[in-house]
Amino acid sequence: EVQLVQSGAEVKKAGESLKISCKGSGYGFTTYWIGWVRQMPGKGLEWMGTIYPGDSETRYSPSFQGQVTISADKSISTAYLQWSSLKASDTAMYYCARHRGYGEPNDAFHIWGQGTMVTVSS
Amino acid sequence: DIQMTQSPSTLSASVGDRVTITCRASQTISRWLAWYQQKPGKGPKLLIYKASSLESGVPSRFSGSGSGTEFTLTISSLQPDDFATYYCQHYNSYGTFGQGTKVEIK
Repeated sequence: EVQLVQSGAEVKKAGESLKISCKGSGYGFTTYWIGWVRQMPGKGLEWMGTIYPGDSETRYSPSFQGQVTISADKSISTAYLQWSSLKASDTAMYYCARHRGYGEPNDAFHIWGQGTMVTVSS
Repeated sequence: DIQMTQSPSTLSASVGDRVTITCRASQTISRWLAWYQQKPGKGPKLLIYKASSLESGVPSRFSGSGSGTEFTLTISSLQPDDFATYYCQHYNSYGTFGQGTKVEIK
């Protein structure tokens, strides 16, 4: 079964760093782009960026460029989203999602992780 | 940046109704458009990709159409399981989402 399993909920303080994970299984991890999507409480979906685990090519939304870092470790089929200094406004549910097409950088999200809730207190 | 605007923001409908949601792009995106369904407390589910291609396993009452800047998602006969929030997304270059349309019970 193709699936993405995300790390558990996090409660952090403003200014702290954080790295959340997304482990892929059931498919060739290195050959599909994986993206990250933010959903703030009660709000809509926001596309943050995407990475190709095969060579770690990464693309960011201008809104998130410089605010987060997306990375991947293909040896353990895991993608990451990290912050160096959290803000209260980073409080949100974060989803990882795999692109639909093999090797396609511009694509719909086909398989979704269960989401990781990040709560940042000020 | 390309902006995606959905209408309406909320839609009240009854079981059996035909429902149409519109998504407009601020500039042409060819057919690089997807539709998702999200239920409370759950992650999104892909319904339609390339504007009109039905994802495997999605009921045929869902259909998508359009190209360029105007797109629609149609549910031909609304079922109880369809009450949810729907998002469009363009995915040529950045993957911008629309703001969502909540389909609620009338």
